[in-house]
Amino acid sequence: EIVMTQSPVTLSVSPGESATLSCRASQSVSSNLAWYQQKPGQAPRLLIYGAYTRATGIPARFSGSGSGTEFTLTISSLQSEDFAVYYCQQYHNWPPLTFGGGTKVEIK
Amino acid sequence: VQLVESGGGLVQPGGSLRLSCAASGFTFSSYAMSWVRQAPGKGLEWVSLTGSSGGATYYADSVKGRFTISRDNSKNTLYLQMNSLRVEDTAVYYCAKRGLGGSGSPNWFDPWGQGTLVTVSS
Repeated sequence: EIVMTQSPVTLSVSPGESATLSCRASQSVSSNLAWYQQKPGQAPRLLIYGAYTRATGIPARFSGSGSGTEFTLTISSLQSEDFAVYYCQQYHNWPPLTFGGGTKVEIK
Repeated sequence: VQLVESGGGLVQPGGSLRLSCAASGFTFSSYAMSWVRQAPGKGLEWVSLTGSSGGATYYADSVKGRFTISRDNSKNTLYLQMNSLRVEDTAVYYCAKRGLGGSGSPNWFDPWGQGTLVTVSS
């Protein structure tokens, strides 16, 4: 099973600043990585797939990078609606499909 | 595209429950579908996936032998039959559509339903 590790667990950022979230895989997942955003009481929403391709309707301030075992989600100029929990998910080697533990982006 | 889960509720340990996910707005029979759960205050855990025809099914080790995923493409509905429920199965259960149609497509999910809460407690 591929273990996904996200860091930091919590990230405190001021509105307008950028945020960098990390996701590490226990073995290579190539570019088979997705990012999701989840707000309290809501379902997860797809942000990025294929490590860097934005999903339909996702603003350009969200960008993904990386391949192999190290991935980054960058949110530039954070807006109020961006404060949420973010999860990475690998779909390279499954079952099982595995998610990271999440990074909570909170207002500083 | 809309996914609406139902069937959650309170059940005693050892009991059974069947979840449903009604799909609309897309050609349901063309997409693999999955169940993902989230325990209270915890992260996401993949549970099960079925191919577009329902012939192929996959499970997390934690539910294998207890849960059964199925689908009725004539009713545009996905199911999760949960037997021998344990306290640790308590979670919100989401159904999710594979992002791309066709067999062999990558397993990222878009969209997700709003979830249904399953509570296993005596």
